[in-house]
Parts: sequence; C-alpha cells; structure tokens
Amino acid sequence: QSALTQPRSVSGSPGQSVTISCTGTSSDVGAYNYVSWYQQHPGKAPKLMIYDVTKRPSGVPDRFSGSKSGNTASLTISGLQAEDEADYYCCSYAGSYSVVFGGGTKLTVL
Amino acid sequence: EVQLVESGGGLVQPGRSLRLSCAASGFTFDDYAMHWVRQAPGKGLEWVSGISWNSGSIGYADSVKGRFTISRDNAKSSLYLQMNSLRAEDTALYYCTKSTGFGVVNPPDYWGQGTLVTVSS
Repeated sequence: QSALTQPRSVSGSPGQSVTISCTGTSSDVGAYNYVSWYQQHPGKAPKLMIYDVTKRPSGVPDRFSGSKSGNTASLTISGLQAEDEADYYCCSYAGSYSVVFGGGTKLTVL
Repeated sequence: EVQLVESGGGLVQPGRSLRLSCAASGFTFDDYAMHWVRQAPGKGLEWVSGISWNSGSIGYADSVKGRFTISRDNAKSSLYLQMNSLRAEDTALYYCTKSTGFGVVNPPDYWGQGTLVTVSS
C-alpha cells in the first residue's frame, strides 16, 4: 500500500489550464477504473471532484476533467480561477478491499 | 442533505483505546459502503479502513491492520472505528466518509467535518 505519486506543487495563471498527474502501479491505478480526485481548501473537508476516472459529481464545473493512461491518472483544470487554488489528492482502489491516496498537490493560481 | 457527524475523538495515552462513531443522515445508509480517512496535522490524506454496505467486505490500511476495527450498524445509520494500541503516529483528524456505491471499491464522496484524535503521554 504505497502512496500514489503526485507532484508537490503546480501553478498556473487565471484562464490557463493545468494538469496534475498521479502515478501508481499495475496493482492500483493501472488495474482498476476507480480513480478519484479531491479538492481541499485550508481548514475544510475534502470535496470529490472526479470519480471512476472521468465522472463528475453533480455541481462540479466541467472545467474539471479526469483521464488515465496505464499506471498514471491525470486531473486537468481548464480556465483556471482563483477559487481553484487548493490542495488536490488522487485516490485509487488497490485491490483486496484497500484504497490508497496520493501525497497531494498544491495548486497555486498566480 | 447528506450529513456525517463524527464523535469520540480526544486526547489519549499511547497504548490505550478509543472508539470513534459517525452518525449518518440524509441518505439510505445501508445502500452505501463507508470509509474512514485520516489526516495528520499539516499532512496529506490517508485511507484507514472501508466497509461494504452489508459488512461483508472490510479492508484496512497496513498501518492500522490488527489494531483498528471498523463496523457499522445499519439499523442506527452509524459507523464505528475501534482503535486499540494507539500510537503517536495515529494522531490525526479522522473523517467519516460515505462512498459512491455499495462496495469498498467505490471511493468516498461525502465527508464529515472530522474528529481529532491526539495520542500523547
């Protein structure tokens, strides 16, 4: 159960697009289409942004999208807005009724 | 509206036990798997344990296996986490989370506000 690998930080200007990667193994990200992404603002509980690799919960803007290729999943945020500045975490089912999170990525909107 | 309210956190000495509870409302509790996720101060999210809708499938993180026990009471719409042999590294904010589906494969969607567990002498 090793944590998924995410970049420590990413940044972008308002209106630009950014992509956050999440690298796992053939036992977690690569094996299942159960990758999810969470947004967490300081002092707040996480919020689900993407689940099952590409699905968006009701109320999440379509500026947020997810994808996966092999053992790496990605979250893309287009048309960056100031309120998107937050920590982002990926998460994957890892088999044998276990789940693993990534280490988190701090998104800075310049 | 989905509501998840955790309780039972507090200050506890190393080696002692604590039981967390989560009262759920606003959804059909026994249709969904549930997870506990924790976050140490200033650190990232760590999955702790998950339980399927009927308690038939249960999983634990290696870091808590053998020490923590997850359970649920569907009649009471409640989730529990029994934590034994607590260590300093278990200090964290513990979140109760509802899953997107009935199995442990399904990730958390709704999160409570968390209950703080501090393990210290």
